[in-house]
Amino acid sequence: RKEVEQDPGPFNVPEGATVAFNCTYSNSASQSFFWYRQDCRKEPKLLMSVYSSGNEDGRFTAQLNRASQYISLLIRDSKLSDSATYLCAVDASKLTFGTGTRLQVTL
Amino acid sequence: DVKVTQSSRYLVKRTGEKVFLECVQDMDHENMFWYRQDPGLGLRLIYFSYDVKMKEKGDIPEGYSVSREKKERFSLILESASTNQTSMYLCASSLAGADGYTFGSGTRLTVV
Repeated sequence: RKEVEQDPGPFNVPEGATVAFNCTYSNSASQSFFWYRQDCRKEPKLLMSVYSSGNEDGRFTAQLNRASQYISLLIRDSKLSDSATYLCAVDASKLTFGTGTRLQVTL
Repeated sequence: DVKVTQSSRYLVKRTGEKVFLECVQDMDHENMFWYRQDPGLGLRLIYFSYDVKMKEKGDIPEGYSVSREKKERFSLILESASTNQTSMYLCASSLAGADGYTFGSGTRLTVV
């Protein structure tokens, strides 16, 4: 089993839609969780950290479920500019990344 | 903003060459990392360092070495480049115990 797993997608959604991604992790000792956004041929950029109580940043909401060992990212009111690959990252002693979920937002 | 600078955006090297990839960060971060990213495999950790002159193997260190003589600089060395080392190489840095990493813009290395 991979340490961090994501559905590769692509998720094709129309503008304005709500879309959610999940990411499962295998190491129950993991302490820190993050979502990164990566545009084509660019470096990953930190989108948001994921806290135990859940957190929101504008249209983006991140949740952590320790019992089931997954984190989620919800994007509301999708914009064309949200099209990218979303990587989850988990830190037990060093960051381990999922392979990413590709999102394509269309008109 | 923290800046992580990788010396080359694109590199083409021949099989058997010794290759140096340089990474410099300007915000006094303790931690530095080298990843490679390949389609379908995601980001894989090669080496990391939590302090000057300190280095730790990541998940795929074979064929690579690193050097950290100064806090701001972390170099990745391919001792004898091979075609299976053709990849995107990403350097990252972070403060000790801090939220998340900041990545450089990457070096796309092609070994022919």
